[in-house]
Amino acid sequence: AQSVTQLDSQVPVFEEAPVELRCNYSSSVSVYLFWYVQYPNQGLQLLLKYLSGSTLVKSINGFEAEFNKSQTSFHLRKPSVHISDTAEYFCAVRTVKAAGNKLTFGGGTRVLVKP
Amino acid sequence: KAGVTQTPRYLIKTRGQQVTLSCSPISGHRSVSWYQQTPGQGLQFLFEYFSETQRNKGNFPGRFSGRQFSNSRSEMNVSTLELGDSALYLCASSLEGGPTQYFGPGTRLTVL
Repeated sequence: AQSVTQLDSQVPVFEEAPVELRCNYSSSVSVYLFWYVQYPNQGLQLLLKYLSGSTLVKSINGFEAEFNKSQTSFHLRKPSVHISDTAEYFCAVRTVKAAGNKLTFGGGTRVLVKP
Repeated sequence: KAGVTQTPRYLIKTRGQQVTLSCSPISGHRSVSWYQQTPGQGLQFLFEYFSETQRNKGNFPGRFSGRQFSNSRSEMNVSTLELGDSALYLCASSLEGGPTQYFGPGTRLTVL
């Protein structure tokens, strides 16, 4: 079974400052990794994913995450945040060879961007 | 392409009643998964349907059930509602064999 730990439940950050959200996972087999974002009263939006290939993946709105297999981590970073980045962020994993789709989520990190 | 749609968006029920939630996946997606989101337990996997068959099931009591139709639309049913069933129920769809899931806006269920 897999598990996902998001070490920070809340991260306050000033506008235009950098932010890093930490995600560590536990799995005995290879996994796919995802970051989703949830704005208030909405569903989850896919932010970025690691399936294979380059360990550094980037989103169109300036976020990036790096898969580190030895440290079993998939931390999310943004060099300069905006007020509109205020949301909750979820890290999730799915085993590569699973029969079917089942995501295991971390507890989420709430990001509050202050002006 | 239209995204995943869920109806209704909000529901209020009383204890003991039953409820049916609906999910229409992205066109061409044949896998539909359901998740429950609560402040206490976070996001938990309920079940997944593919080609009208349940392919995966999470650790939820038998009061939670689902089905999938030939057009890939899915419904989930919760019988004998309890206060603890109050949650945001999220549906996600994915392509056959594809690991990437796309989520709908959710149905907010409140049990009084």
